[in-house]
Amino acid sequence: AQKVTQAQTEISVVEKEDVTLDCVYETRDTTYYLFWYKQPPSGELVFLIRRNSFDEQNEISGRYSWNFQKSTSSFNFTITASQVVDSAVYFCALRQGGSEKLVFGKGTKLTVNP
Amino acid sequence: DAGVIQSPRHEVTEMGQEVTLRCKPISGHNSLFWYRQTMMRGLELLIYFNNNVPIDDSGMPEDRFSAKMPNASFSTLKIQPSEPRDSAVYFCASSLVAGGSYEQYFGPGTRLTVT
Repeated sequence: AQKVTQAQTEISVVEKEDVTLDCVYETRDTTYYLFWYKQPPSGELVFLIRRNSFDEQNEISGRYSWNFQKSTSSFNFTITASQVVDSAVYFCALRQGGSEKLVFGKGTKLTVNP
Repeated sequence: DAGVIQSPRHEVTEMGQEVTLRCKPISGHNSLFWYRQTMMRGLELLIYFNNNVPIDDSGMPEDRFSAKMPNASFSTLKIQPSEPRDSAVYFCASSLVAGGSYEQYFGPGTRLTVT
């Protein structure tokens, strides 16, 4: 069975701090895909990144970076120099190869205070 | 290009009434998904279609829920009769499935309140 665990329910930081959001997944498949989505206070879900199980290369996009480690089944997300606009709920999700179903974690609510 | 369009954005109805939620996927996408989000259960997949055909409806709560996709540009999720426990935000998402894994793009959601 697939499962995504985001152990951090809520995180609060002060602007300009770095923050890492943890994501641990479980799957028996060798081919799978991992995703991060952002849900700002306005409510929509915004796609941030997709990672394939056969590509462990880390990725950086501006202030955002992702660390994928198959050895620990983790796909962590780091925001560098956080800003108030980063305040949102962030969801990690898993999709097994051969299915289109996304399994979401419970989300981590990030609050960035000025 | 327009994103996923959902209507209505907000719906308030009384218990027992029929509710119909509508979704227009991104043009060219061939998969469509209906999700429900609640505080208690988080984001749950209700049903998804590929090329207008329902593939997996195992997440549909019960017979009161039904979904259709009559063509590639329109889908509905119907609840009849509605109950207070159906109150949630319902999201529609679409993606292009073509030999690989592609991300799902979500609509703005419909906030349903059943009194």
